[in-house]
Amino acid sequence: SAVISQKPSRDICQRGTSLTIQCQVDSQVTMMFWYRQQPGQSLTLIATANQGSEATYESGFVIDKFPISRPNLTFSTLTVSNMSPEDSSIYLCSVPLAVQETQYFGPGTRLLVL
Amino acid sequence: GEDVEQSLFLSVREGDSSVINCTYTDSSSTYLYWYKQEPGAGLQLLTYIFSNMDMKQDQRLTVLLNKKDKHLSLRIADTQTGDSAIYFCAEGGNTGKLIFGQGTTLQVKP
Repeated sequence: SAVISQKPSRDICQRGTSLTIQCQVDSQVTMMFWYRQQPGQSLTLIATANQGSEATYESGFVIDKFPISRPNLTFSTLTVSNMSPEDSSIYLCSVPLAVQETQYFGPGTRLLVL
Repeated sequence: GEDVEQSLFLSVREGDSSVINCTYTDSSSTYLYWYKQEPGAGLQLLTYIFSNMDMKQDQRLTVLLNKKDKHLSLRIADTQTGDSAIYFCAEGGNTGKLIFGQGTTLQVKP
């Protein structure tokens, strides 16, 4: 399995500010995904982070609110911009393994917006 | 659009078997997954099954897939208190994107 780390593991932020979450993988992967898990809810895909091109966003998510960078095949960042309490969630990155096509998740970033 | 449904809650006694059910709508799903999430923890991949299989066993875990009915189940034999968690099923295709069910909270009573 891949080793996936995320920073920060948790944060408490004030509304109107922005937070950048980092995801680091110990091997090169073609695709990386960002998910959101709102309190007591399931996971929803935010976007696919593509290396060398813009991220592909799912319905209901926009680049201005969730800008994503993917500078290389082992790293990605997700920024939650102009935060409001509704953005309080766990944000997780995931990567598929090419051989097994299984998907592993990072430990998540727990965000609380006051 | 694609949808994945799970029952929300299951309670069993320690030592019994647990069966968590899931239905999905996307017939083009390539892989179906079971993830476990303990309180305050991340998402742990438990097992997965390819869509051309109908059963997979891994120690105490048995996954059954009925592709005709688009029904997936996870059986946990000899359920322990440490199995108490939320279990998510998810479907995925060649894009790598996953669609998750709402999660089933498994409560194991001693």
